[in-house]
Amino acid sequence: GAVVSQHPSWVICKSGTSVKIECRSLDFQATTMFWYRQFPKQSLMLMATSNEGSKATYEQGVEKDKFLINHASLTLSTLTVTSAHPEDSSFYICSTTGLNTEAFFGQGTRLTVV
Amino acid sequence: AQKITQTQPGMFVQEKEAVTLDCTYDTSDQSYGLFWYKQPSSGEMIFLIYQGSYDEQNATEGRYSLNFQKARKSTNLVISASQLGDSAMYFCAMRESRNTGGFKTIFGAGTRLFVKA
Repeated sequence: GAVVSQHPSWVICKSGTSVKIECRSLDFQATTMFWYRQFPKQSLMLMATSNEGSKATYEQGVEKDKFLINHASLTLSTLTVTSAHPEDSSFYICSTTGLNTEAFFGQGTRLTVV
Repeated sequence: AQKITQTQPGMFVQEKEAVTLDCTYDTSDQSYGLFWYKQPSSGEMIFLIYQGSYDEQNATEGRYSLNFQKARKSTNLVISASQLGDSAMYFCAMRESRNTGGFKTIFGAGTRLFVKA
């Protein structure tokens, strides 16, 4: 079964609105969550790393005020795309690491901004 | 600078044959991890196999094996006895430490594998 549950799997929103994406770790505590963005037919690009109880670390070029990350508990991390625009349309996916080296990914969220 | 390089945008393989997907990496770390993931059209990321930088033996997981050549900084994925369900995007990834602590994983551009019946 899924180790990381990501919701929603897809969302369509109007330009200017905000969208929240949730990633929940199931049956284990995720102190760190990685958020990626993937454009069609391209690779995963790391956007930011969230740590429970502290500020997220954003990669160069990622707007902190536009992509708000919250990691308030050991089982939940959220990414909010604020004032979304069509160019924010993409596939967003979260990932965390278990006790071993393997990374566990959420199912991904396909965001379409119209 | 590109740290993970997958030079094959697309590969074709006949069903039941073996195929090798290439990946080279660049890092100054002594300790790092190398991964391969499969991404079908649904978008989910499926972990396939892992190789630690200090592992002396090539990793194997069922039909998946790695040809790890540390001196050449390459970690090629070998899929034996290809199946139609293997058709997907394959990503090579490397986990390395951050200067500020912790670690992050970076991904290559991917190779799309097509398995022919």
